[in-house]
Amino acid sequence: QLLESGGGLVQPGGSLRLSCVASGFTFSNYPMTWVRQAPGKGLEWVSAISGSETSTNYADSVKGRFTISRDNSKNTLFLQMSSLRAEDTAVYYCAKEGYSYWYFDLWGRGTLVTVSS
Amino acid sequence: EIVLTQSPATLSLSPGERATLSCRASQSVSSYFAWYQQKPGQAPRLLIYDASNRATGIPARFSGSGSGTVFALTISSLEPEDFAVYYCQQRRNWPLTFGGGTKVEIK
Repeated sequence: QLLESGGGLVQPGGSLRLSCVASGFTFSNYPMTWVRQAPGKGLEWVSAISGSETSTNYADSVKGRFTISRDNSKNTLFLQMSSLRAEDTAVYYCAKEGYSYWYFDLWGRGTLVTVSS
Repeated sequence: EIVLTQSPATLSLSPGERATLSCRASQSVSSYFAWYQQKPGQAPRLLIYDASNRATGIPARFSGSGSGTVFALTISSLEPEDFAVYYCQQRRNWPLTFGGGTKVEIK
């Protein structure tokens, strides 16, 4: 399973670090991703990282502000978010790749990030 | 960026009816395409990958078709638990993108 944490209320311009702890599979073998969902809206892919952490990708909307990383020794995925904006308000899901490259077969329950003054 | 356009936005049907959801890509994604289901308050669930392959545990009433730029998800006979929002996703190019969703609601 995947369990996200670290969400909360933050002021515009602030920073937050999300974590996602994995269990039940060999974490280091799988690329991981973050996907977000603004209240009442659809899914938006945010960032992805390879299993060995050698490759990362970002949506244009977060490039330069968010950093994805992972600690395979602790089975944990991270998303460091800075220069947060109101439009970053969303539930953030972590997800595991499955079946083939960049499909996602296991998702966490999500953590809510609210950016507001 | 590859834009995925889903239609219709809302589909109102009764249990037992057939549902056909569409997704159109702004450029070819070959068969690098998936469908997800999301129920209120829950995370998405992978239904179909590579356009037409069902994920483990997905009932046979769900089927996917298409390639290139036009894709469809068909639910042959709606069960009460199938009323949800469905999203398409492409993995052909970065950035990964999702469609805007189709809500299947009870008529």
